Amino acid sequence: NAGVMQNPRHLVRRRGQEARLRCSPMKGHSHVYWYRQLPEEGLKFMVYLQKENIIDESGMPKERFSAEFPKEGPSILRIQQVVRGDSAAYFCASSYEPTGANYGYTFGSGTRLTVV
Amino acid sequence: DAKTTQPNSMESNEEEPVHLPCNHSTISGTDYIHWYRQLPSQGPEYVIHGLTSNVNNRMASLAIAEDRKSSTLILHRATLRDAAVYYCILRAGGTASKLTFGTGTRLQVTL
Repeated sequence: NAGVMQNPRHLVRRRGQEARLRCSPMKGHSHVYWYRQLPEEGLKFMVYLQKENIIDESGMPKERFSAEFPKEGPSILRIQQVVRGDSAAYFCASSYEPTGANYGYTFGSGTRLTVV
Repeated sequence: DAKTTQPNSMESNEEEPVHLPCNHSTISGTDYIHWYRQLPSQGPEYVIHGLTSNVNNRMASLAIAEDRKSSTLILHRATLRDAAVYYCILRAGGTASKLTFGTGTRLQVTL
């Protein structure tokens, strides 16, 4: 059973381009979370999605960032018109959450975005 | 989210036990105590979690104070591969919710 798969592992974009980061959750997990880690900083929550729905986007920048988790296929974090400050490691996590239960999260290895 | 307080860094010798403390004095009755660790250049890794009772798994043990205002992650025999940043996180139970990471404890393991 493969873990959480993120691709690409490394992504280089020029300022103004679009970045698309993909996350395939563990089999059977329907909850996906995206986190960003700036260099030498801690992980910051961005968005929580459940199949086809955004549950909590309180950590998402208001502009240029969007996320989706379609019925079929991976979750996508999209950053439009990237700027140097977007350079960071982006981690995806998934979890299995029947109502009332509490489980650990499984994180992917991350996508390291560099904006030049 | 209720806050947790951890020491910034700790050191341990290899093959010795390590006790990583965490204070969470404002914990609510439905909050679970989660521990994750992040090795250099990797994503966070789940270690253990608990609610009220002490918990053991193949990676570590979690000792929870009777009043739940503090907990301790115990690595029974530290190895060089345990060098990482360890995060103590409170997560609301009952419904799915995000994890809020603090600054964690950077554990150094030396020979």
